[in-house]
Amino acid sequence: NAGVMQNPRHLVRRRGQEARLRCSPMKGHSHVYWYRQLPEEGLKFMVYLQKENIIDESGMPKERFSAEFPKEGPSILRIQQVVRGDSAAYFCASSLRQGSSGELFFGEGSRLTVL
Amino acid sequence: QQQVKQSPQSLIVQKGGISIINCAYENTAFDYFPWYQQFPGKGPALLIAIRPDVSEKKEGRFTISFNKSAKQFSLHIMDSQPGDSATYFCAAGAGSYQLTFGKGTKLSVIP
Repeated sequence: NAGVMQNPRHLVRRRGQEARLRCSPMKGHSHVYWYRQLPEEGLKFMVYLQKENIIDESGMPKERFSAEFPKEGPSILRIQQVVRGDSAAYFCASSLRQGSSGELFFGEGSRLTVL
Repeated sequence: QQQVKQSPQSLIVQKGGISIINCAYENTAFDYFPWYQQFPGKGPALLIAIRPDVSEKKEGRFTISFNKSAKQFSLHIMDSQPGDSATYFCAAGAGSYQLTFGKGTKLSVIP
């Protein structure tokens, strides 16, 4: 499967716990994006990363959220001290080229439920 | 100014009919307008996209119409099939990676 791989597909956490979502981009893609989808809403941009660099995190909440894309391994979206409002589907996308808004390929998402 | 407004919220079409979904935007810097199809439990998949230098683009049964002066674009699905039942999102981008999505249209095609 050469698509964008996300795991876990479903994650349940209690308030105050940490959530870690992982994303492996398509083969050959070095640009990774995270989007969040709230129920009955469209996707909203969170962060754009390249290997070892955060390029744009303007859509990330200022607190509790962080993202990384290490030299080796998948990109990680980390949510500390989760609250009920963090319950959403988190989608990762990757692209081959920088600055190419048309070439985003999305994974199947990680659905976070906070109890 | 970053909004993309999508309508209708839901749509029921008979098999063989035409499904039409409309979107409007405000930011004149947008230069890329894709449509995504999303099935339940799946990620959005790029369906078709258009840039503002053309007014229409057709791929199979799917057509995008684009009206630059009105800042509107629409998706037409001809000969709609039950397998087309999904949620459709329009989006807009300004030459970068940040797509602004509409809220989605849930399409149901009934036999």
